[in-house]
Amino acid sequence: GDSVTQMEGPVTLSEEAFLTINCTYTATGYPSLFWYVQYPGEGLQLLLKATKADDKGSNKGFEATYRKETTSFHLEKGSVQVSDSAVYFCALRSGFQKLVFGTGTRLLVSP
Amino acid sequence: GAVVSQHPSRVICKSGTSVKIECRSLDFQATTMFWYRQFPKQSLMLMATSNEGSKATYEQGVEKDKFLINHASLTLSTLTVTSAHPEDSSFYICSAPHHGGGANVLTFGAGSRLTVL
Repeated sequence: GDSVTQMEGPVTLSEEAFLTINCTYTATGYPSLFWYVQYPGEGLQLLLKATKADDKGSNKGFEATYRKETTSFHLEKGSVQVSDSAVYFCALRSGFQKLVFGTGTRLLVSP
Repeated sequence: GAVVSQHPSRVICKSGTSVKIECRSLDFQATTMFWYRQFPKQSLMLMATSNEGSKATYEQGVEKDKFLINHASLTLSTLTVTSAHPEDSSFYICSAPHHGGGANVLTFGAGSRLTVL
């Protein structure tokens, strides 16, 4: 079945460092890909998405490009802030509105 | 923007009792809602799809009689964990799709943490 694999965390960075969180997927057909973020005590929020190959999703300085050839959707940010500390989930949409999630990667940013 | 509210956010119960978790779409109607379960350091696993006015659709391996889902109205879905046991302790999250900005978006509730003693 469809699946998403994320790098294990936690990822610990200093403020202004470059961030990469790897995500690869296995799916039949052409899924849409998503990154969700979960801040402490809050629900998941959509961070960005891409619906077809070579699309780049971006939001709040975060970017991810849908790479069909490598089945990847890595999340990047050029300069992280303490406020970016959260858990990040990569997901793909399989079927009508059904989301398949990765295990989540916790990001800890220190001042 | 669209908001999904879950209640309670935390609940502690004794083994053998039943617990009800509510999921409400506050400013939009949802004919479909999704219930997820999140184990510590693990991914969210889809448990079931709640359908307004009809039976829920359960994912493989999820016990229907254990996790009762009722979608009573276009803004409310409930998950009842029946005869709860410690292994049911988990974080339960609901989500509802809505049409916003020209696309369907899933909005998630903040989750309900269940602890069964």
